[in-house]
Amino acid sequence: DAGITQSPRHKVTETGTPVTLRCHQTENHRYMYWYRQDPGHGLRLIHYSYGVKDTDKGEVSDGYSVSRSKTEDFLLTLESATSSQTSVYFCAISEAQETQYFGPGTRLLVL
Amino acid sequence: AQSVTQLDSQVPVFEEAPVELRCNYSSSVSVYLFWYVQYPNQGLQLLLKYLSGSTLVKGINGFEAEFNKSQTSFHLRKPSVHISDTAEYFCAVSDPGNTGKLIFGQGTTLQVKP
Repeated sequence: DAGITQSPRHKVTETGTPVTLRCHQTENHRYMYWYRQDPGHGLRLIHYSYGVKDTDKGEVSDGYSVSRSKTEDFLLTLESATSSQTSVYFCAISEAQETQYFGPGTRLLVL
Repeated sequence: AQSVTQLDSQVPVFEEAPVELRCNYSSSVSVYLFWYVQYPNQGLQLLLKYLSGSTLVKGINGFEAEFNKSQTSFHLRKPSVHISDTAEYFCAVSDPGNTGKLIFGQGTTLQVKP
């Protein structure tokens, strides 16, 4: 299995609070991605990174920001969490724009 | 924009029966195609992928898929399923050279009954 960890694995928070999710890889892969998974929608891309300090928006980026200061870490921040951001968040990595390897996911509940 | 349609949200099947999970995509240009499996409360695991070459792709756990460019389809098949194949299956597509961003289908839940 690809060396990808996500933290925390579960989080409950209140509307309006900031939340940061962390993705950490030990594979030295160039590309990193954040997806959210919701019933009936599959997985949808939030943001992605193609190198240190190089990031871009995905399909559902509103309300989210990201940062990548080191190759191994990709942070997803919800500046002010809303109930619509209750979801399961997955990080993925890839080296050559081909196969993506996924982390175990973070379950976020916004009350 | 790219889109992926998985034609069945749920597929119930008896153990040892064959199964086909259907996937259609919208692009008319070259694409990479993937099938991922998700077991309960876990992340996604790659089953198989099509990048180029032979249109019949074999993956892990006895699964295979066939790329059909004229029908823009990439259906997943297994000749004999096991209880342990019960999971959610996702079809995904990406544009070669476009930072590898994946577009996923909505998912198909495979329910294998004894």
